[in-house]
Amino acid sequence: DGGITQSPKYLFRKEGQNVTLSCEQNLNHDAMYWYRQDPGQGLRLIYYSQIVNDFQKGDIAEGYSVSREKKESFPLTVTSAQKNPTAFYLCASSIAGVYTGGELFFGEGSRLTVL
Amino acid sequence: SQKIEQNSEALNIQEGKTATLTCNYTNYSPAYLQWYRQDPGRGPVFLLLIRENEKEKRKERLKVTFDTTLKQSLFHITASQPADSATYLCALDTNAGKSTFGDGTTLTVKP
Repeated sequence: DGGITQSPKYLFRKEGQNVTLSCEQNLNHDAMYWYRQDPGQGLRLIYYSQIVNDFQKGDIAEGYSVSREKKESFPLTVTSAQKNPTAFYLCASSIAGVYTGGELFFGEGSRLTVL
Repeated sequence: SQKIEQNSEALNIQEGKTATLTCNYTNYSPAYLQWYRQDPGRGPVFLLLIRENEKEKRKERLKVTFDTTLKQSLFHITASQPADSATYLCALDTNAGKSTFGDGTTLTVKP
């Protein structure tokens, strides 16, 4: 079955450590996105990518980094510079592309907790 | 920047009734608007998309309206069931491909 796979589902991190969240899709979508969700709030865009080797900052990119070396993969690194990293992270993809928009397909999310 | 307001954080209704959720926005008009369902601890699931030139769209028990003059979208679930209980998110786009999400409305349907 096609879809988006995020791992790990739960992750604990000590302050000062970088962590990388994995996102893989087999939908053959060009556009991929990372969102952050805090309790009781909507999704906020961290980074997005239209094509391989290209990505752009979203609304809250500070303290995060991404790469897009393969079409199907868009990993997110939460760096020690992110002051409040505890949150629910969601990866998504779309067939229509970043600049034309359309239905988003989401993974099941990764919950990061900083100890 | 775009601001989105979804009606009250929580909505409680009786099974069989129609649930109506509201999404209001300010500033520029979106090219289209989407509604998603999110269950606790899960990723959102797409439900419906309505474009700026469409007034209404339906899918089974779901209906979405889009009033660009009022800057408002209404999301209706008819003959609601306990299984409809979830958080519903609206998202706006302006042909730039980046969707802005509201905070969501948590719907509880009581049997």
